[in-house]
Amino acid sequence: KAGVTQTPRYLIKTRGQQVTLSCSPISGHRSVSWYQQTPGQGLQFLFEYFSETQRNKGNFPGRFSGRQFSNSRSEMNVSTLELGDSALYLCASSLGAGSNQPQHFGDGTRLSIL
Amino acid sequence: QQQVKQSPQSLIVQKGGISIINCAYENTAFDYFPWYQQFPGKGPALLIAIRPDVSEKKEGRFTISFNKSAKQFSLHIMDSQPGDSATYFCAARSNQFYFGTGTSLTVIP
Repeated sequence: KAGVTQTPRYLIKTRGQQVTLSCSPISGHRSVSWYQQTPGQGLQFLFEYFSETQRNKGNFPGRFSGRQFSNSRSEMNVSTLELGDSALYLCASSLGAGSNQPQHFGDGTRLSIL
Repeated sequence: QQQVKQSPQSLIVQKGGISIINCAYENTAFDYFPWYQQFPGKGPALLIAIRPDVSEKKEGRFTISFNKSAKQFSLHIMDSQPGDSATYFCAARSNQFYFGTGTSLTVIP
């Protein structure tokens, strides 16, 4: 079974630009969550989608947004990029949205802002 | 505010030894506690997880010990191997997952 696939793996942008990251969950998984990982802040929750609906949102500014499609694939968008947005962005999928559903991570998209 | 506090930040263990990583939490709404292993350039991989109605769970060389009254849980890696050298994260879930800050484990041959 294929794992969680994130594209692209690496991305370089400049301040003020916008970026879209993509995540394909494990087949059959309907819940997708996004995280930002940085050396200073660790893994921080961005948002969770289930059946095309955002269920939870972390404490990030409105420049960070996402969506989920009917095939459970998800995209994350960051507008007006700032230097501090440089991070590894991780997507995780799970079967459902229940509290004891294990999450499986992709290898992330490394975003660098110049 | 860090919802899940993880220690130590780094750990060096001899091959064959026991690696122990600890996590503590305050939120009693947490009801699922996984541990993840992350290698450089890779996403976190689920190692083992426990629910608060169980005090211990073992899978191969990995054991979670859970103390509900103390709001603490720990990961024990028995017979540690150089291939176990990685960063380990504990996590806890209520309405979302909260992660510890990670422990960098180095197993010396």
